[in-house]
Amino acid sequence: DTAVSQTPKYLVTQMGNDKSIKCEQNLGHDTMYWYKQDSKKFLKIMFSYNNKELIINETVPNRFSPKSPDKAHLNLHINSLELGDSAVYFCASIGRDRNSPLHFGNGTRLTVT
Amino acid sequence: AQSVTQPDIHITVSEGASLELRCNYSYGATPYLFWYVQSPGQGLQLLLKYFSGDTLVQGIKGFEAEFKRSQSSFNLRKPSVHWSDAAEYFCAVHSSGGSYIPTFGRGTSLIVHP
Repeated sequence: DTAVSQTPKYLVTQMGNDKSIKCEQNLGHDTMYWYKQDSKKFLKIMFSYNNKELIINETVPNRFSPKSPDKAHLNLHINSLELGDSAVYFCASIGRDRNSPLHFGNGTRLTVT
Repeated sequence: AQSVTQPDIHITVSEGASLELRCNYSYGATPYLFWYVQSPGQGLQLLLKYFSGDTLVQGIKGFEAEFKRSQSSFNLRKPSVHWSDAAEYFCAVHSSGGSYIPTFGRGTSLIVHP
């Protein structure tokens, strides 16, 4: 059983399109994140949700809108895609203890042409 | 604000040689420290973590790390590297208070020569 699963694994699209990435975790965690990993492998936090509520929004353009229908799911919708949005997007979840590690999905490689 | 520095972007070692990857953190209180490994096309996987107790912690795949408060460091070590250890390694800090934002270093790419 995959603990944190993301779909799709690859996403190739043209500028201006709207796309969504889905994430689900079966670990019973309350907190989920979206991270963006750029071409230099740097991981930058984008959003964090705790029990369906947004708690962190790290200066991400309004074109990015996370949605959490329940605490096991955190989806990412991106409007009007731009070339600079090309990256690998990781979903992650974490348990309640701060000494708990993050559990990551395998990532979605988004390529905007 | 907390921060993590991994000063080495790339490290190249020969198979069988020892390895040390450096990590320095900035955080006002005792941090929770982690090392993760990312294989190509995969998400990050936990190698080991430190939050209290013995400052030398053991992880998976023969890795260990030592927390040194005086140096604000949490360096990762392995006595003998295998070719399968070639990957990207990330050091991370979780705050023990305030906003719960796990913060990552920029990563160190490990290249293993046969």
